[in-house]
Amino acid sequence: AQKITQTQPGMFVQEKEAVTLDCTYDTSDPSYGLFWYKQPSSGEMIFLIYQGSYDQQNATEGRYSLNFQKARKSANLVISASQLGDSAMYFCAMREARGGKLTFGQGTILTVHP
Amino acid sequence: ETGVTQTPRHLVMGMTNKKSLKCEQHLGHNAMYWYKQSAKKPLELMFVYNFKEQTENNSVPSRFSPECPNSSHLFLHLHTLQPEDSALYLCASSRDRVGNTEAFFGQGTRLTVV
Repeated sequence: AQKITQTQPGMFVQEKEAVTLDCTYDTSDPSYGLFWYKQPSSGEMIFLIYQGSYDQQNATEGRYSLNFQKARKSANLVISASQLGDSAMYFCAMREARGGKLTFGQGTILTVHP
Repeated sequence: ETGVTQTPRHLVMGMTNKKSLKCEQHLGHNAMYWYKQSAKKPLELMFVYNFKEQTENNSVPSRFSPECPNSSHLFLHLHTLQPEDSALYLCASSRDRVGNTEAFFGQGTRLTVV
């Protein structure tokens, strides 16, 4: 069963605007971590932000913030003030405490227009 | 520079060839991973090593053979591959396999099987 779902194959945003990339997950493990990665065309996966299942506050890291809604099992990434260099593939991932595997969603291609 | 280095960056091989992919990390991490990324598919976890011991093999065909001689190095030996094995192969490492530790990725090896 798919544990991480990213329903937006592609997203477009105007430079300097904010954009939200959706991610929903499925787990029965009460302890887990949620991650977002950016993959530019070069192929490297760049870690952006982390949210723990027991964290009370939404994670923020510079222009990135994670909108964590535990009851809905969603962990959307919000990028504020988009820049041209933000154009890339974005992956949501989850690691359950039980098992330790890092499982990825299908990814969302973000294109930032000038 | 993520601290995880993969070589070669690009590889073209025939179906009867034998080649190896190399991954190296000097982050002091204990867990290392091989992922396969095919076009339009989520990242697929292939193998997990923890403290040099293989802890996971996700039903990977035997034509892929991993080797972890020490906690800093991970290899993926390839032999008699098929054209459908063409993909981006990503190596990652993490401090350990618990929920809140992010994985750091290399830039990947883009493999083409002809």
